[in-house]
Amino acid sequence: NAGVMQNPRHLVRRRGQEARLRCSPVKGHSHVYWYRQLPEEGLKFMVYLQKENIIDESGMPKERFSAEFPKEGPSILRIQQVVRGDSAAYFCASSQDRGGDSPLHFGNGTRLTVT
Amino acid sequence: AQSVTQLDSQVPVFEEAPVELRCNYSSSVSVYLFWYVQYPNQGLQLLLKYLSGSTLVKGINGFEAEFNKSQTSFHLRKPSVHISDTAEYFCVGLRAAGNKLTFGGGTRVLVKP
Repeated sequence: NAGVMQNPRHLVRRRGQEARLRCSPVKGHSHVYWYRQLPEEGLKFMVYLQKENIIDESGMPKERFSAEFPKEGPSILRIQQVVRGDSAAYFCASSQDRGGDSPLHFGNGTRLTVT
Repeated sequence: AQSVTQLDSQVPVFEEAPVELRCNYSSSVSVYLFWYVQYPNQGLQLLLKYLSGSTLVKGINGFEAEFNKSQTSFHLRKPSVHISDTAEYFCVGLRAAGNKLTFGGGTRVLVKP
């Protein structure tokens, strides 16, 4: 499967723990996006990264959330000291280029549950 | 700011009947529009997109959508649905110079036998 791979599919964390979500983009794609889907809502943009650079993080909460896309390896979305409100599905998408003509490929998401 | 509004949160429909999912967008600049489908516990799959040109866009699985600039709408249609079309459908906008998608709230389609 050459699509976007996200792991784990399901993640359970207690309040105060850290959550690490991984995303391996489609081979050859250098643009990665993270979206969050709260229950009964559409997806909301969080952050857009290119290799080693954060391009747009306007959708990221100011505290506890961080993202990276290193030169080697997957993109990581990290949530420190999780709270119940962080429970959501987190989707990663990748594209070859930026812009509407370059289709986004979505992963199957990581469903985070904070107990 | 761009916004995308899906007017129906749920649409029940009988198998082999037609379905229309309504979507309106607001934007002061050129915009690209997409419809994505999300099957239960899965990621999103692109159904179709409008970038420019013909206002009637045909997508996968027999879906089509019509871009109407005067009404700022991008409604999705299928003439005859199958049980397998049961899913959530998202209308999505992207500003021409932008890099983040704006999602509508989603429409749940439940196809009944």
